[in-house]
Amino acid sequence: AQSVTQPDIHITVSEGASLELRCNYSYGATPYLFWYVQSPGQGLQLLLKYFSGDTLVQGIKGFEAEFKRSQSSFNLRKPSVHWSDAAEYFCAVGEISMEYGNKLVFGAGTILRVKS
Amino acid sequence: NAGVTQTPKFRVLKTGQSMTLLCAQDMNHEYMYWYRQDPGMGLRLIHYSVGEGTTAKGEVPDGYNVSRLKKQNFLLGLESAAPSQTSVYFCASSYSLRGGNEQFFGPGTRLTVL
Repeated sequence: AQSVTQPDIHITVSEGASLELRCNYSYGATPYLFWYVQSPGQGLQLLLKYFSGDTLVQGIKGFEAEFKRSQSSFNLRKPSVHWSDAAEYFCAVGEISMEYGNKLVFGAGTILRVKS
Repeated sequence: NAGVTQTPKFRVLKTGQSMTLLCAQDMNHEYMYWYRQDPGMGLRLIHYSVGEGTTAKGEVPDGYNVSRLKKQNFLLGLESAAPSQTSVYFCASSYSLRGGNEQFFGPGTRLTVL
């Protein structure tokens, strides 16, 4: 079965510092990969997605992620973090099955704290 | 467009009570999903629907029922609430079953069962 691992439950970075959130997945075929962000009390917003082509994908709010098949990873990066980036970040893999349709398998999430 | 909306935003139930959560989307999406979010577990699929009048079980369907009488609405019911159903519930919708297709999420319903 597909699975997604986000090794870091919490990460704290200083405002203006760079950020990398880790995501590893287990999937038999070419994966469809997503990063979502959830601000406190809000729903999930898509930051970026990968399903083919260039392995470095750009998203909203200055985020990017790199797909590395050899490492089964899809890490999220941002060169300079802003205080408004404090939120919980979820990595997900899209699974297509006759049983579940278009199902997203989520990691447990990483909570980002930004200190000034 | 409002996107995906959920009603109510918060609810407190006593064990054994019933309730219905309403999800509505105005994007004419075929596919709709109910997830629950628990700390440290990400989101898990409860039920989903591939079109009006159809529903199917997800990973954690026990204790829940759903209905999709209209394309734009997807209802999640708890017939006899249990404390284990304390969670945040998210509805999502998508226009395609294709793997790269984005799911759009509602703001969530925070349910507490005492």
